[in-house]
Amino acid sequence: QSALAQPPSASGSLGQSVTISCTGTSSDVGAYDYVSWYQQHPGKAPKLMISEVSKRPSGVPDRFSGSKSGNTASLTVSGLQAEDEADYYCSSYAGSNNFVVFGGGTKLTVL
Amino acid sequence: QVQLVQSGAEVKKPGASLRVSCKASGYTFTDFYIHWVRQAPGQGLEWMGRINPNSGGTIYAQKFRGSVTMARDTSISTAYMELSSLTSDDTVVYYCARGGHYYFDFWGQGTLVTVSS
Repeated sequence: QSALAQPPSASGSLGQSVTISCTGTSSDVGAYDYVSWYQQHPGKAPKLMISEVSKRPSGVPDRFSGSKSGNTASLTVSGLQAEDEADYYCSSYAGSNNFVVFGGGTKLTVL
Repeated sequence: QVQLVQSGAEVKKPGASLRVSCKASGYTFTDFYIHWVRQAPGQGLEWMGRINPNSGGTIYAQKFRGSVTMARDTSISTAYMELSSLTSDDTVVYYCARGGHYYFDFWGQGTLVTVSS
């Protein structure tokens, strides 16, 4: 069982927006602004999409945005494109004992 | 361009040890942490630990303390992850990833390890 809770699946139509949630606790997501999001296509390594809740690395489209409220972080993908279909994982710093924890992943389907 | 190239797939027997290498290029090796993350087939990601290539200092996830050792050789910009006492649960893909304290911005291609008698 993963430390952070994500819905197993999400979907949206081409051009629409979808939001994926990542729920932790006051010891991880709620305590630190160190939430990251990763995109993983089948058979590929993960790719960093968002770091520190809402920072987008160079090269990541601005259709991807991140936010956090309390113990829940969110990734929003706007203007869905076919290539956005992938698994998405959140992670958070969780203190000096567990350090980094991941969510179980969300499979995003673009209809 | 930043690249992390990992060693190839391995088959190990239960109880054996494993060493995976991760050769970095395209940036100053000592400027970023190297993290190790693993993924069971069809499952999620699991952080194992990280090494500071500059100091050699390591932090391991609680689950892997006592069984994992991370090291580096700065002369060849390569990080290593050793895992001992392998079981079938260690049949996963191991990734190295460059990053800051808590994020991973470039990943290796992954190394599939199969533990089977």
